[in-house]
Amino acid sequence: GENVEQHPSTLSVQEGDSAVIKCTYSDSASNYFPWYKQELGKGPQLIIDIRSNVGEKKDQRIAVTLNKTAKHFSLHITETQPEDSAVYFCAASKGQAGTALIFGKGTTLSVSS
Amino acid sequence: ETGVTQTPRHLVMGMTNKKSLKCEQHLGHNAMYWYKQSAKKPLELMFVYNFKEQTENNSVPSRFSPECPNSSHLFLHLHTLQPEDSALYLCASSQDSSGGNTGELFFGEGSRLTVL
Repeated sequence: GENVEQHPSTLSVQEGDSAVIKCTYSDSASNYFPWYKQELGKGPQLIIDIRSNVGEKKDQRIAVTLNKTAKHFSLHITETQPEDSAVYFCAASKGQAGTALIFGKGTTLSVSS
Repeated sequence: ETGVTQTPRHLVMGMTNKKSLKCEQHLGHNAMYWYKQSAKKPLELMFVYNFKEQTENNSVPSRFSPECPNSSHLFLHLHTLQPEDSALYLCASSQDSSGGNTGELFFGEGSRLTVL
C-alpha cells in the first residue's frame, strides 16, 4: 500500500521567513496530494492540494510543488506569520472509489514574532 | 464550523465498558471515514464508507465496530478497549466524485478517548 514520509517533524522560523515541508510517496499510481493544517483542538483542514497533471500550484502565501518522477511534493509558505503556527500534514491518494487519503506524520511549525 | 460534528468531544472509559462515538455530516457527502490520531504517528485510516457500504477496513481490531446507517451518520462502537487505544478519533466526509474520492476531506474536531 501507499506510504507517505514527511520531513521535518518540527520546524521553527522567525516571522517573515519562509518555511518548506517535504513529503515523499511510494505508490506511483497516486494522483492527488493535499496538504492539511491542524490547529490545536481542531480537526485538520485542507489548505491546498495538487493533482498529478500539474507541477505547481499557488494560493497567496502558500504554494505546493510536485515532482512525479522523484515521487515527492513540497509545501512552501512565504512571509510566515504567527497564525501559521500549527501541525501540517501531507497526504496522497489514488483517487479510486472508496479509497481514502494516506497521511504523513505531520510537521509542527512554530512561527515566532 | 466544518459541517462535520462529532460527539462526545471527550470520553473516558474503562477496559470493560461499551461506548459509542457519533459523527454527523451536514454537507450532503456520500463518503465517511474514521481516522485515529495518536501522538507522533500519522493519521491512521480505520474505516471507509461509500454510499453507506464499507469499502475499507484497515486491519482494525474487532473491538472497534463501525456502523453507517445512512450517508449522514457514522458511529464507532467501542468494546473492551485497551489503554493503547487512547487517542483522538477523527471523523471525516467527502463528496464522492465519479471515479472516486479525490475530493477534499472535511474533518470533525475529533473525540478524545482515554481508556483506563
